[in-house]
Amino acid sequence: NAGVTQTPKFQVLKTGQSMTLQCAQDMNHEYMSWYRQDPGMGLRLIHYSVGAGITDQGEVPNGYNVSRSTTEDFPLRLLSAAPSQTSVYFCASSYWGTSSNEQYFGPGTRLTVT
Amino acid sequence: TQLLEQSPQFLSIQEGENLTVYCNSSSVFSSLQWYRQEPGEGPVLLVTVVTGGEVKKLKRLTFQFGDARKDSSLHITAAQPGDTGLYLCAGQTGANNLFFGTGTRLTVIP
Repeated sequence: NAGVTQTPKFQVLKTGQSMTLQCAQDMNHEYMSWYRQDPGMGLRLIHYSVGAGITDQGEVPNGYNVSRSTTEDFPLRLLSAAPSQTSVYFCASSYWGTSSNEQYFGPGTRLTVT
Repeated sequence: TQLLEQSPQFLSIQEGENLTVYCNSSSVFSSLQWYRQEPGEGPVLLVTVVTGGEVKKLKRLTFQFGDARKDSSLHITAAQPGDTGLYLCAGQTGANNLFFGTGTRLTVIP
């Protein structure tokens, strides 16, 4: 099993450009989520999904869109990149409905917006 | 927003020393997890504690969940260079989402 995979590993964007961060998991997990990690702030939840066709906002959703057309894939879209979106982005997945939501993380995408 | 404060933020110790990392919140969590993150990688789960007052041991690591399920601690005995990394606590509410702490960056010097 590959677990959780993310592409690309690194990306540089200019302000105003758009792009999609890819995330896929092969563990048949219902729950998938996107976090951003900034120095001194831990990981903050952007969007999450509890199954195909169902998405919801986390703590910091502004500037990001998601969709969940299949169980395996959960892409994150930046519609118009801003320097404030410079961060490391992590995708995670887990089973849904367990008493302890143990999440498996991908290796991350380091995004720089200039 | 559920705020989880970790202390200390940075910790540098000699190999063989003991250390404790704290994770505190004013919110009650249904469970609390500890993760370790290496540079350039995603966090990896170390342990989950669910019951107030629960203590779990993982080799030289001891995790405790506070009685009121608002705080937790991680104690490492006889630290080794392989323990170096970023330690993150994360609390889960009834909504099943995780709220992460600010992190403790540990460096163990050989």
